[in-house]
Amino acid sequence: NAGVTQTPKFQVLKTGQSMTLQCAQDMNHEYMSWYRQDPGMGLRLIHYSVGAGITDQGEVPNGYNVSRSTTEDFPLRLLSAAPSQTSVYFCASRTGGSNQPQHFGDGTRLSIL
Amino acid sequence: QQPVQSPQAVILREGEDAVINCSSSKALYSVHWYRQKHGEAPVFLMILLKGGEQKGHEKISASFNEKKQQSSLYLTASQLSYSGTYFCGTESLDSSYKLIFGSGTRLLVRP
Repeated sequence: NAGVTQTPKFQVLKTGQSMTLQCAQDMNHEYMSWYRQDPGMGLRLIHYSVGAGITDQGEVPNGYNVSRSTTEDFPLRLLSAAPSQTSVYFCASRTGGSNQPQHFGDGTRLSIL
Repeated sequence: QQPVQSPQAVILREGEDAVINCSSSKALYSVHWYRQKHGEAPVFLMILLKGGEQKGHEKISASFNEKKQQSSLYLTASQLSYSGTYFCGTESLDSSYKLIFGSGTRLLVRP
């Protein structure tokens, strides 16, 4: 099993550029989430989804869009990159039910100049 | 509402014990604990559900006080491999789909 796969692993953007961070899971998990982690900081929830076609905002949603057209994929879009969005982005998934662990991808390290 | 973790950092000698606390202002359904090594993704340790249970995993155990909305992670006879940052994640009763993490506790175990 691949688990949660994030691409790319590293990316450098210029201010104002747009891009999509990809996230795919092969565990048939209903719940998927995106977090950002700034240096020395905790994980902050950006957006989450409880199933295909259903998304909602987390703690820090501004500047990001998501969609969930399939159970497997949950891409994160930066519409107009800003230096404040420089961070490590983690995608995570878990099956429904609160007694289930969340599985994280390896992260995407994004720098915006 | 982000849970509050304490302490922010701990330095231990190998073999010593530590307790990491996590508290929330919201009524909780579950508390998750994860450990993250530098440059890596967080790794799952355990989940505690509403009901005040206590769980164990080798020499790492945790408790959940439902009345106080607090959880504690107990690390006994610490090993060098325990070094890392520990995060608690909470699901509240009014929003159980969202897992919100605290700011983390950095643990360093020295020989």
